[in-house]
Amino acid sequence: NAGVTQTPKFRVLKTGQSMTLLCAQDMNHEYMYWYRQDPGMGLRLIHYSVGEGTTAKGEVPDGYNVSRLKKQNFLLGLESAAPSQTSVYFCASRLSSYEQYFGPGTRLTVT
Amino acid sequence: DQQVKQNSPSLSVQEGRISILNCDYTNSMFDYFLWYKKYPAEGPTFLISISSIKDKNEDGRFTVFLNKSAKHLSLHIVPSQPGDSAVYFCAARDNDMRFGAGTRLTVKP
Repeated sequence: NAGVTQTPKFRVLKTGQSMTLLCAQDMNHEYMYWYRQDPGMGLRLIHYSVGEGTTAKGEVPDGYNVSRLKKQNFLLGLESAAPSQTSVYFCASRLSSYEQYFGPGTRLTVT
Repeated sequence: DQQVKQNSPSLSVQEGRISILNCDYTNSMFDYFLWYKKYPAEGPTFLISISSIKDKNEDGRFTVFLNKSAKHLSLHIVPSQPGDSAVYFCAARDNDMRFGAGTRLTVKP
């Protein structure tokens, strides 16, 4: 039981490049989330999903897109990366309780 | 506009003493509060939670206190251990989960 995994762990992009971050969970959780963590800002919600095939915007969705084609996977896409998207990205999932299970994070640098 | 605030970025305590981490919030609609612990290069892990209908919840060395009138939440760790050294995030739920900026706790042997 791997819990929540994220791919890749680190990535450096040039401004304007695109990439997709993959989150996978093997706990059969309905809800999945993408957060970004920046110094002094805590964790801010980018997008979330309440089930397969559904997505919704969080607090800071601009510049990101998501897809949840399979229940166990939640993808976060950056179509045209900007330096302001340099951050650590965390994926999380939960079943029905409020407790979320987090992945180990992806450190993204945009130059 | 941060609805959940952890005003102390860092806290240092001696092993065996009590650690008190504080959290303030502005949204009276929050109905559930959680504390997460985060080690370097890892994701946050759930520590303890409390519903807005309670004022205290205890789990071993960890106790969370909720003062709704003051919109204040605190986490007490007693006795503190070096392994408790981590960043602690306070979180509160309305429709979404809102996180504080975190407090880095260092427990010195």
